[in-house]
Amino acid sequence: AQSVTQLGSHVSVSEGALVLLRCNYSSSVPPYLFWYVQYPNQGLQLLLKYTSAATLVKGINDFEAEFKKSETSFHLTKPSAHMSDAAEYFCAVSDFSVGGTSYGKLTFGQGTILTVHP
Amino acid sequence: KAGVTQTPRYLIKTRGQQVTLSCSPISGHRSVSWYQQTPGQGLQFLFEYFSETQRNKGNFPGRFSGRQFSNSRSEMNVSTLELGDSALYLCASSLGLDSTYEQYFGPGTRLTVT
Repeated sequence: AQSVTQLGSHVSVSEGALVLLRCNYSSSVPPYLFWYVQYPNQGLQLLLKYTSAATLVKGINDFEAEFKKSETSFHLTKPSAHMSDAAEYFCAVSDFSVGGTSYGKLTFGQGTILTVHP
Repeated sequence: KAGVTQTPRYLIKTRGQQVTLSCSPISGHRSVSWYQQTPGQGLQFLFEYFSETQRNKGNFPGRFSGRQFSNSRSEMNVSTLELGDSALYLCASSLGLDSTYEQYFGPGTRLTVT
């Protein structure tokens, strides 16, 4: 079964600084990976996804993530943090199995709360 | 195109009661997945429906059930509510044709069990 580990439950950066949120996955097959953001009292919004087309994935609001198979990582970055980026971020892996398909299940990491201070 | 909608947004129930939550997917999406979000357990998958059929189920007791209608709208039901069922319940819709398709989430229903 797939699993996801997000390193750091809280990350704090200054406005304008680089944002780096870490995600490592465990999977016996090539994974499909996603990053979502959740603002208070809202649902999850998709930032970007990796489905093996390209290892560097660009998403909305200048976020991007790089898939590194050798490190089993899919870290999320943004060159310059804005105050509006303050939220909780979730890395997720799509659940499927070789020889069959397990539909509709995303396995999420525990989330990383990003704080941006002036 | 309208997003995923969930009703009601907030709900307060008493232990032992039952509750039904509703989810309307994005137009054209045939897959609806349900998740439970709590501070302690995080986001956990409940089940997924596609064309009125449950294709996948998470590790939740039988008190949690769902269904999907021919217009792809979905409901989930929790019977004999327990205090631990207090959570944000999220539904997500997708084209559902395979696992590469992204899921789009609704705003959630906040359930409080007293």
